[in-house]
Amino acid sequence: QKEVEQDPGPLSVPEGAIVSLNCTYSNSAFQYFMWYRQYSRKGPELLMYTYSSGNKEDGRFTAQVDKSSKYISLFIRDSQPSDSATYLCAMKGFYNQGGKLIFGQGTELSVKP
Amino acid sequence: DTEVTQTPKHLVMGMTNKKSLKCEQHMGHRAMYWYKQKAKKPPELMFVYSYEKLSINESVPTRFSPECPNSSLLNLHLHALQPEDSALYLCASSEPDSFTEAFFGQGTRLTVV
Repeated sequence: QKEVEQDPGPLSVPEGAIVSLNCTYSNSAFQYFMWYRQYSRKGPELLMYTYSSGNKEDGRFTAQVDKSSKYISLFIRDSQPSDSATYLCAMKGFYNQGGKLIFGQGTELSVKP
Repeated sequence: DTEVTQTPKHLVMGMTNKKSLKCEQHMGHRAMYWYKQKAKKPPELMFVYSYEKLSINESVPTRFSPECPNSSLLNLHLHALQPEDSALYLCASSEPDSFTEAFFGQGTRLTVV
């Protein structure tokens, strides 16, 4: 079993839809959670980060963490064609040497006009 | 400034060549990372430098040799690579503890011929 599971998609939605992207994890030592957006042939861009259970909102993006269920989500409201990219969840735990990031497989999202 | 700069953006090298990838950050972070990413896969950790010392080597072949000249610079020296080493090489930086996010550069797209 992988430490972090993420549905690879691809996920296709119409413009304006609400998108839900999810990751589950098995290691309860993970305490810090990040979402990255990666356009084709570019480096990952940090979108959201959080270390507490609950919701964190930034514009059209909401990150949700449920540590009791070991489940994190990223919601995108009013999705735009420019949101078409691969979304990667990543996490870090206590006592990691140098803060090693563990990634999910990435979900490929396509928003159709 | 949340920028991590990588050079070159593209590199084509033969199997007998020696080349270097360079990475620079000016965020004052004390941990820097090299990741390798193949198409439609998440980034795979190669090396972590924490406080300018190599803290993680993920069993990477010796034809890849990292170097951290100072806290803002990271190099990856390449020698006698194989075609299967062709990939996007990503540099990242963060603080070396659990509760900080990591920022990535745009990557160097390496092709080994």
